[in-house]
Amino acid sequence: GAGVSQTPSNKVTEKGKYVELRCDPISGHTALYWYRQSLGQGPEFLIYFQGTGAADDSGLPNDRFFAVRPEGSVSTLKIQRTERGDSAVYLCASSPSFGRGYEQFFGPGTRLTVL
Amino acid sequence: DAKTTQPNSMESNEEEPVHLPCNHSTISGTDYIHWYRQLPSQGPEYVIHGLTSNVNNRMASLAIAEDRKSSTLILHRATLRDAAVYYCIPRNYGGSQGNLIFGKGTKLSVKP
Repeated sequence: GAGVSQTPSNKVTEKGKYVELRCDPISGHTALYWYRQSLGQGPEFLIYFQGTGAADDSGLPNDRFFAVRPEGSVSTLKIQRTERGDSAVYLCASSPSFGRGYEQFFGPGTRLTVL
Repeated sequence: DAKTTQPNSMESNEEEPVHLPCNHSTISGTDYIHWYRQLPSQGPEYVIHGLTSNVNNRMASLAIAEDRKSSTLILHRATLRDAAVYYCIPRNYGGSQGNLIFGKGTKLSVKP
């Protein structure tokens, strides 16, 4: 079946602009996670959803970052007033349910470059 | 969550076994040990997990020390496709929070 997909695969933007990154999880997966990965580092947790609600947003670096999942499926990560330090690969993952017993399935990521 | 220590990098020859170590001396009794790997330009993918006993699946084997303070991921015959960054991640199943906590992992290079 189809895996997790993310669009766009690459996004180049200018400092100060607004961007949206989309994640389509595996059908039926209720848990959805966003991570950010800087060069040479492991992925870093940003936020996770159980259904439509954000269950934990403690990893969001500041209030310029926001994510939604209005119908419990597709999620959008929104970044306002982008800064050069936001440049990274943004990864989305889904799992059948929340909880630490479930394997996470990752998408290929969106590479964001802020000029 | 328990902290982990892994070598920054390792090299292997194709067709040979590879042993990737991980120290997790602060692991709790209810932490499972998960391994994920990340191929170049891809998201991480699950490899294997275990609690106390050694585990095998189609991708790899996981050997867990008796005191559980360390574990070793074993690739029995490395292929070029196994070149990736391998992450060892302790996970406690008692809580409801599910996010993974990645370290820097071990970058495995496989030579033909």
